[in-house]
Amino acid sequence: GENVEQHPSTLSVQEGDSAVIKCTYSDSASNYFPWYKQELGKGPQLIIDIRSNVGEKKDQRIAVTLNKTAKHFSLHITETQPEDSAVYFCAASGGPTGGFKTIFGAGTRLFVKA
Amino acid sequence: NAGVTQTPKFQVLKTGQSMTLQCAQDMNHEYMSWYRQDPGMGLRLIHYSVGAGITDQGEVPNGYNVSRSTTEDFPLRLLSAAPSQTSVYFCASSYSRDSYLGTEAFFGQGTRLTVV
Repeated sequence: GENVEQHPSTLSVQEGDSAVIKCTYSDSASNYFPWYKQELGKGPQLIIDIRSNVGEKKDQRIAVTLNKTAKHFSLHITETQPEDSAVYFCAASGGPTGGFKTIFGAGTRLFVKA
Repeated sequence: NAGVTQTPKFQVLKTGQSMTLQCAQDMNHEYMSWYRQDPGMGLRLIHYSVGAGITDQGEVPNGYNVSRSTTEDFPLRLLSAAPSQTSVYFCASSYSRDSYLGTEAFFGQGTRLTVV
């Protein structure tokens, strides 16, 4: 079945540094790749997404890149701040098996040290 | 808009008890899903629904039942709770743009369930 792998599981950076989280997916028909941020005690919330017809998307300090050939995508956070500390999930969905079925990676716990 | 509302927020069950986790959304979304979140394992899909009257199994459906009688509600039933079902459960909904295209999932706040 579909599978999404995410690395690293834990990431610690100094405030102001960049953070990169990488994911690979197995279903080549997937066409939607969202990233979610989960703060303590809350449900995940979308922070950025990318569709399969786009290679890169940027929103202020966060960016996502997609390599369809290699079936991997990455989240880049620049100028990290303490409030970026959270768990981040990548996900994949879309294709003949359903745009409604989202498969998540295992998550990355990001610590930003002040 | 309340978004996706889950109740209860916390629950403790004894092994063998049954209960229903409630989920309601007010965004008129066709798609709804239930996930469980365990440490180091991310969010795993339990069951999902593409519309009223239609449900299907996800990655980890055993021990859980669902039904979808209305667009708004998607309850998750534990028939006979087991300690392995101790987890945080999230309900999510998303809109139907196209059955082929993925769309953003909106999550509830979660239900923390402990089975003793």
